[in-house]
Amino acid sequence: RKEVEQDPGPFNVPEGATVAFNCTYSNSASQSFFWYRQDCRKEPKLLMSVYSSGNEDGRFTAQLNRASQYISLLIRDSKLSDSATYLCVVNIPSGSARQLTFGSGTQLTVLP
Amino acid sequence: IAGITQAPTSQILAAGRRMTLRCTQDMRHNAMYWYRQDLGLGLRLIHYSNTAGTTGKGEVPDGYSVSRANTDDFPLTLASAVPSQTSVYFCASSSQGDITDTQYFGPGTRLTVL
Repeated sequence: RKEVEQDPGPFNVPEGATVAFNCTYSNSASQSFFWYRQDCRKEPKLLMSVYSSGNEDGRFTAQLNRASQYISLLIRDSKLSDSATYLCVVNIPSGSARQLTFGSGTQLTVLP
Repeated sequence: IAGITQAPTSQILAAGRRMTLRCTQDMRHNAMYWYRQDLGLGLRLIHYSNTAGTTGKGEVPDGYSVSRANTDDFPLTLASAVPSQTSVYFCASSSQGDITDTQYFGPGTRLTVL
């Protein structure tokens, strides 16, 4: 089983739609959670951190469910510019290593 | 320089050759990382360095070595390249290497080993 699993998609949605991505992680001791965005042939960039209480940044809402070990990302009022791959990222508790594990990503295409 | 730079942008390499991928950051970040990204597998950590002078092995370290002589530079060396090392390589850095830190990525190096 992968440590971080995501539905690869692709998700094709019209402009203005609401879309949600889920991600599950296997290590219950994980403490830090993030969503990164990666545009085609570009480097990943932090979209938002995910906090236990849930957090919102404009049209983006991230939620964490520790009991079920899943993280979600909700995008409201989708824009063409939201088209990208969204990476779910979780830390690995492992001694002194401060490592992050990346999911393989969910591809989103917003259609005009 | 602003952020993280990587060189070369892309490279085609014959199997068996030695290759060093360069990574430089100007943010004075303590921690640096090397990842490879392959289709369907996502980003996998090769090696990391929590601070200058120290390095550690990630998930897929075999066939790669790193050094961290100073804060800014973190080169990745393939001693004898093999076709399975064909990938996109990303260097990243974070301020303290803490698990809550944001990692900032360089633009990547596309490496093809024939």
